[in-house]
Amino acid sequence: GDSVTQMEGPVTLSEEAFLTINCTYTATGYPSLFWYVQYPGEGLQLLLKATKADDKGSNKGFEATYRKETTSFHLEKGSVQVSDSAVYFCALRRGTGTASKLTFGTGTRLQVTL
Amino acid sequence: DGGITQSPKYLFRKEGQNVTLSCEQNLNHDAMYWYRQDPGQGLRLIYYSQIVNDFQKGDIAEGYSVSREKKESFPLTVTSAQKNPTAFYLCASLNAGVGEQFFGPGTRLTVL
Repeated sequence: GDSVTQMEGPVTLSEEAFLTINCTYTATGYPSLFWYVQYPGEGLQLLLKATKADDKGSNKGFEATYRKETTSFHLEKGSVQVSDSAVYFCALRRGTGTASKLTFGTGTRLQVTL
Repeated sequence: DGGITQSPKYLFRKEGQNVTLSCEQNLNHDAMYWYRQDPGQGLRLIYYSQIVNDFQKGDIAEGYSVSREKKESFPLTVTSAQKNPTAFYLCASLNAGVGEQFFGPGTRLTVL
């Protein structure tokens, strides 16, 4: 079945440091890939997505590139801020329409300090 | 503003009691979902509904029940048969046109 593997956290960085959170997936076909962010006590918000190989999703300074050859979708940001502290979830969706479902990774907690 | 609301934010239940979590959306989305979140385990799908009066079991449906009588509403009942119900519960709906799920703020259920 489908699965998503993320690097374990917590990831602790100083403000303005470079961020990478690794995500790899296992799925047949050509899934769409997503990064969601969850701030403490809240629901998930879509951060970025990519729907086909070599697509790059970007939002709020975060980027991730859909690499089919390595089945990866690593999240990067050039300079993190304290406000980026949250839990980040990588997810995939196979299929389209209302029958499609998301498969999530276990989440990676990011802590950014001054 | 369009969005998904979940209530209550915090819920306490005694063992042996059923409890119903509310989820309402005004996004005009057909599909809705319930997830359970436990520390270190990510999100797991409980039930989902593609359309009114239809729903399917997800990966961990045992001890839960749902209904979908209206497009806007997808309540989840946690029954006494659920062995370990303490968790954070998230409701979502799908914008099928762009393939994106939108999430509510969640309900934290604690069994005393």
